Amino acid sequence: DAGITQSPRHKVTETGTPVTLRCHQTENHRYMYWYRQDPGHGLRLIHYSYGVKDTDKGEVSDGYSVSRSKTEDFLLTLESATSSQTSVYFCATGLAGRTGELFFGEGSRLTVL
Amino acid sequence: GQQVMQIPQYQHVQEGEDFTTYCNSSTTLSNIQWYKQRPGGHPVFLIQLVKSGEVKKQKRLTFQFGEAKKNSSLHITATQTTDVGTYFCAGPDSGGSNYKLTFGKGTLLTVNP
Repeated sequence: DAGITQSPRHKVTETGTPVTLRCHQTENHRYMYWYRQDPGHGLRLIHYSYGVKDTDKGEVSDGYSVSRSKTEDFLLTLESATSSQTSVYFCATGLAGRTGELFFGEGSRLTVL
Repeated sequence: GQQVMQIPQYQHVQEGEDFTTYCNSSTTLSNIQWYKQRPGGHPVFLIQLVKSGEVKKQKRLTFQFGEAKKNSSLHITATQTTDVGTYFCAGPDSGGSNYKLTFGKGTLLTVNP
């Protein structure tokens, strides 16, 4: 497996508080992604990055922001957490191009009370 | 936007029975990928299909890509308890780039020993 670590792995927070999830990779992959996984919805793309400081929105980006100041780190911020953002968040990285496969982190379970 | 649909949503089989999951896209795909997620785990890449009508095998798993490149299937022969998990298909953005994947909602396979 690619060296992808997510932190924190578990977090409980209250509605209205800001939350930042971190994804760190050691593979020097250009592309990084944040997905959320909810029962009945599969994996939905929140934001992605195609290079340092280059990011774009996915299909469920409202209420989320991202930053990528270094190749290895991709941060996901919930500016003001809501209960609807209770989910499992997965970071993924990829080379795109020839193979296109994604490598996923272990996931971060977030509960917003 | 692009939609990737998977059926069935759930499938329960007796060990030794066969299993098939189907994936359909609203647009023609340049390629399709399949991932497996074990319960409590993260998605893991299985395979990528690129050519129209392509068939690939991995031991008891057979993957097919439709002639029109809008559908795909994963067939498992003689299921085992180790096959338990959710199987996702994923296709690249309709713009053709490989770096943004849309996932189907997945098929959860359970196997009764």
